[in-house]
Amino acid sequence: NAGVMQNPRHLVRRRGQEARLRCSPMKGHSHVYWYRQLPEEGLKFMVYLQKENIIDESGMPKERFSAEFPKEGPSILRIQQVVRGDSAAYFCASNTGREPYGYTFGSGTRLTVV
Amino acid sequence: QQQVKQSPQSLIVQKGGISIINCAYENTAFDYFPWYQQFPGKGPALLIAIRPDVSEKKEGRFTISFNKSAKQFSLHIMDSQPGDSATYFCAALFGGYQKVTFGTGTKLQVIP
Repeated sequence: NAGVMQNPRHLVRRRGQEARLRCSPMKGHSHVYWYRQLPEEGLKFMVYLQKENIIDESGMPKERFSAEFPKEGPSILRIQQVVRGDSAAYFCASNTGREPYGYTFGSGTRLTVV
Repeated sequence: QQQVKQSPQSLIVQKGGISIINCAYENTAFDYFPWYQQFPGKGPALLIAIRPDVSEKKEGRFTISFNKSAKQFSLHIMDSQPGDSATYFCAALFGGYQKVTFGTGTKLQVIP
């Protein structure tokens, strides 16, 4: 299956710990997007990356959150000093950046902060 | 101006009936309107999409209707089946820029 791979599927962290979420885009896709979904809510844009570049991070909280998409390896969403309000499903999507528009989503990482 | 408003929040339809989900937008720069389907525990999957120069697009039992002047669009699911039970998100984006703005979602339940 050459889809968007996210791991881990489930992640439990204690308050104050760091969470690292990984996303490997589909083969041939060089654009990666991270979204957060709170229970019973829609998807909120966080950040848009291309290889080694952050294109748009307007949805990222100013503190504790960071993202990268290195030349080699998966994209990483890092949340430092997690708080209970960070508990959510985090989805990664990828595409080629060309027509047709649209994303391919991964199955998400469900972060629970205890 | 970047919002996409979606209704209803939840919907129960009998098998064989028509499911209708509505969305409205304000940013006239949006020029592509996809719908996504999400099953529990899964990521959203692209279902069908439309450009504003087209008033209707049909793919199987799924139809998008688009009203450019009213800045509204809707998803119709004909002959709804229990397997259609999922959360549906409308979305919008504008040309040359890949960031997608999502509606808040509609949880559809199709009962036998």
